[in-house]
Amino acid sequence: AQTVTQSQPEMSVQEAETVTLSCTYDTSESDYYLFWYKQPPSRQMILVIRQEAYKQQNATENRFSVNFQKAAKSFSLKISDSQLGDAAMYFCAYRSTSGGSNYKLTFGKGTLLTVNP
Amino acid sequence: NAGVMQNPRHLVRRRGQEARLRCSPMKGHSHVYWYRQLPEEGLKFMVYLQKENIIDESGMPKERFSAEFPKEGPSILRIQQVVRGDSAAYFCASSTGAGGSYEQYFGPGTRLTVT
Repeated sequence: AQTVTQSQPEMSVQEAETVTLSCTYDTSESDYYLFWYKQPPSRQMILVIRQEAYKQQNATENRFSVNFQKAAKSFSLKISDSQLGDAAMYFCAYRSTSGGSNYKLTFGKGTLLTVNP
Repeated sequence: NAGVMQNPRHLVRRRGQEARLRCSPMKGHSHVYWYRQLPEEGLKFMVYLQKENIIDESGMPKERFSAEFPKEGPSILRIQQVVRGDSAAYFCASSTGAGGSYEQYFGPGTRLTVT
């Protein structure tokens, strides 16, 4: 079974600075999707960014980018020019692309990001 | 296009009562997923349904929990005889298809508190 590990329960960053959140995963599959979700205090789950494993290029969405290291099974999220609105719990998630359970998202335990003014 | 809707947003039940959580998927979405988030944990898959069919309920406790997605109306997650350990946030997601590149869109969740 796939597992997702987020080793940083909490992180903090100064406004306008850059922060990197770590995520590692374990899988025997060669093709899959990886996601970062943001959960603000409202608890709404918001998709931040998505990476397809077969794509070597790292995904980017405005101030959010990932460092996808397939061999190391690492998928970190970099937030540049941090804003107060970025404060939230961030979850890393995995989903297979094949097999009978290719709809299940497997989540890490999350990293609570605090942004200091 | 309205997003995934869940109600109620907050639900308080006494031990032994029943809890009914509703999820209306996005328009055009016929695939619904329920996830549970226990305190200090990530979301965990419970069940996957299509209209009138349960496709995968492997993540759902065998007793007291049931889910349905009727031809008409919202998907319902029912928890009978709730216990304190059922206190959690329950999220529903929907998609137009399953797997592949189909994205799951999440609702705001229902926070269940069992007293």
